[in-house]
Amino acid sequence: DGGITQSPKYLFRKEGQNVTLSCEQNLNHDAMYWYRQDPGQGLRLIYYSQIVNDFQKGDIAEGYSVSREKKESFPLTVTSAQKNPTAFYLCASSIPVAGPGANVPTFGAGSRLTVL
Amino acid sequence: GDSVTQMEGPVTLSEEAFLTINCTYTATGYPSLFWYVQYPGEGLQLLLKATKADDKGSNKGFEATYRKETTSFHLEKGSVQVSDSAVYFCALSPRGSARQLTFGSGTQLTVLP
Repeated sequence: DGGITQSPKYLFRKEGQNVTLSCEQNLNHDAMYWYRQDPGQGLRLIYYSQIVNDFQKGDIAEGYSVSREKKESFPLTVTSAQKNPTAFYLCASSIPVAGPGANVPTFGAGSRLTVL
Repeated sequence: GDSVTQMEGPVTLSEEAFLTINCTYTATGYPSLFWYVQYPGEGLQLLLKATKADDKGSNKGFEATYRKETTSFHLEKGSVQVSDSAVYFCALSPRGSARQLTFGSGTQLTVLP
């Protein structure tokens, strides 16, 4: 079955450490996204990528970095520069804009990061 | 910029009650509109969508109608079940854009037996 796999599901980090969250999709989607979710709030866009080797900052990119070396993979690194990294992180992907059903993102199950 | 305003929660209902979760939006042009559902500890699942004015999206007994004149996309269900307990997000996507969805803040629904 096609889908998006995020790992790890739970992650604990000490202050000052970088951590990388994995996101893999086998849906053949060109576009991929990372969102952050805090309790009682909606989702906020961190980074998005519409094509391999290209990505753009979202609304809250500071303290995060991404890469898009393969179509299937869009890892997110939470760096020590992120002041409040404890949150639920969601990865999503969608088909190209010109196709039918364009931009109806499919979401992964999420990764919960806790900074100790 | 684009924005989505959702009815604040939490909402608590008894089983078989009628559900309405209000959603209004601000956007230029004709965005696509969505409702997503998030069960505890999980990611978001698309519940229903509508891509043009007067379209009605429906799924699993839930319905929402795209009202251009009132810029609204209210979610309704005639008879809720305990299994409907979740967080519901309204979202919009500008037409022709792959950039992102704009989400509302989410509404927590709890259905009691």
